[in-house]
Amino acid sequence: EAGVTQSPTHLIKTRGQQATLRCSPISGHTSVYWYQQALGLGLQFLLWYDEGEERNRGNFPPRFSGRQFPNYSSELNVNALELEDSALYLCASSYLRGPSYEQYFGPGTRLTVT
Amino acid sequence: AQSVTQLDSHVSVSEGTPVLLRCNYSSSYSPSLFWYVQHPNKGLQLLLKYTSAATLVKGINGFEAEFKKSETSFHLTKPSAHMSDAAEYFCVVSDASGGSYIPTFGRGTSLIVHP
Repeated sequence: EAGVTQSPTHLIKTRGQQATLRCSPISGHTSVYWYQQALGLGLQFLLWYDEGEERNRGNFPPRFSGRQFPNYSSELNVNALELEDSALYLCASSYLRGPSYEQYFGPGTRLTVT
Repeated sequence: AQSVTQLDSHVSVSEGTPVLLRCNYSSSYSPSLFWYVQHPNKGLQLLLKYTSAATLVKGINGFEAEFKKSETSFHLTKPSAHMSDAAEYFCVVSDASGGSYIPTFGRGTSLIVHP
């Protein structure tokens, strides 16, 4: 069974540009979560999609947005990039929604903003 | 509201000695608790989880954790460290507060294993 995949592996952008990150969940998983892992800050929750709808978002500005497609894959868009957006962006999927269901993580996309 | 505190940012052990990574949590509901491991430049992998069944939970690679409600702790242990255990470990709490189902991650503990 294929795990969660993310693309691209690395992404280099300049300040003010837009970045698009993609995630494919494990087959059968309908929930997709996005996290930002900046150096020294741990994992910060960004967005949660389930059944094509945005269910929750973390404490991030509106220039962080995304969507979930009918096949449950997802993309994260970051507009007007700032230097502090440089981080590892992790996508996770889960089979069902609920606090007791573990998340399965992809390898991440390393975004560097110069 | 839920929160989690990993009491040590770094833990250093010698190969073959026991490992203890400490985690305290706070939750208004009956929480689910998880430990994940992250090796360098990799995503997170689930080690084990507690969901109100047995309080002693066994995970992969010889790790286990004990849920202690009275102490609001969920410490991760392993009897004998291996070099391959060197990684970042995250304690995670999740409950149904507000129906959000969004887990809260600890800041992580870096496990260093010396030969």
